[in-house]
Amino acid sequence: AQTVTQSQPEMSVQEAETVTLSCTYDTSESDYYLFWYKQPPSRQMILVIRQEAYKQQNATENRFSVNFQKAAKSFSLKISDSQLGDAAMYFCAYRSKETSGSRLTFGEGTQLTVNP
Amino acid sequence: GAVVSQHPSWVICKSGTSVKIECRSLDFQATTMFWYRQFPKQSLMLMATSNEGSKATYEQGVEKDKFLINHASLTLSTLTVTSAHPEDSSFYICSARQGAYNEQFFGPGTRLTVL
Repeated sequence: AQTVTQSQPEMSVQEAETVTLSCTYDTSESDYYLFWYKQPPSRQMILVIRQEAYKQQNATENRFSVNFQKAAKSFSLKISDSQLGDAAMYFCAYRSKETSGSRLTFGEGTQLTVNP
Repeated sequence: GAVVSQHPSWVICKSGTSVKIECRSLDFQATTMFWYRQFPKQSLMLMATSNEGSKATYEQGVEKDKFLINHASLTLSTLTVTSAHPEDSSFYICSARQGAYNEQFFGPGTRLTVL
């Protein structure tokens, strides 16, 4: 079974600064998806970024980018120019391509605080 | 596109009663929906996978008779918490699968409080 680990329960960053959230995972599969989701105080889950394992290029979405290290099974999220609206719980998630069902395996989450 | 709604957003009930939560895909058809439970400051725990026209697949440790799931149409799945007790109080989130990436789109969640 796959596992996802987020070792930083809480992180904080100053507005306009850059912060990196860590995520590691364990799998024996070669092809899969990795995601970062944001859950603001409203608790609506929002997809931030997606990475396909077979793609070597790191995914980017505006101020959000990932550092995907497949061999190390590491998938960190970098938020540049942090904004107050980035304050939320961030979850790293894994999804297999090889098994059916499209189920997501989530990490424990990292609570991000943005200080003005 | 890919909007998922949940109803109600917040429900308070007495211990021993049953509560039904609806999950709807508003602008797409979803053959598969997922139900999660989330305790405060914790991650999402998958409870079950709901497939249209067939029985739900429950995760280990989830009581099928307590958490009844029905996926009667391609846009609606329901979760019924039967004989609710205070320990069932939680935040319940559904998601629906859609698109080329089989992306999961999440509903806004339902807060259940059992008195």
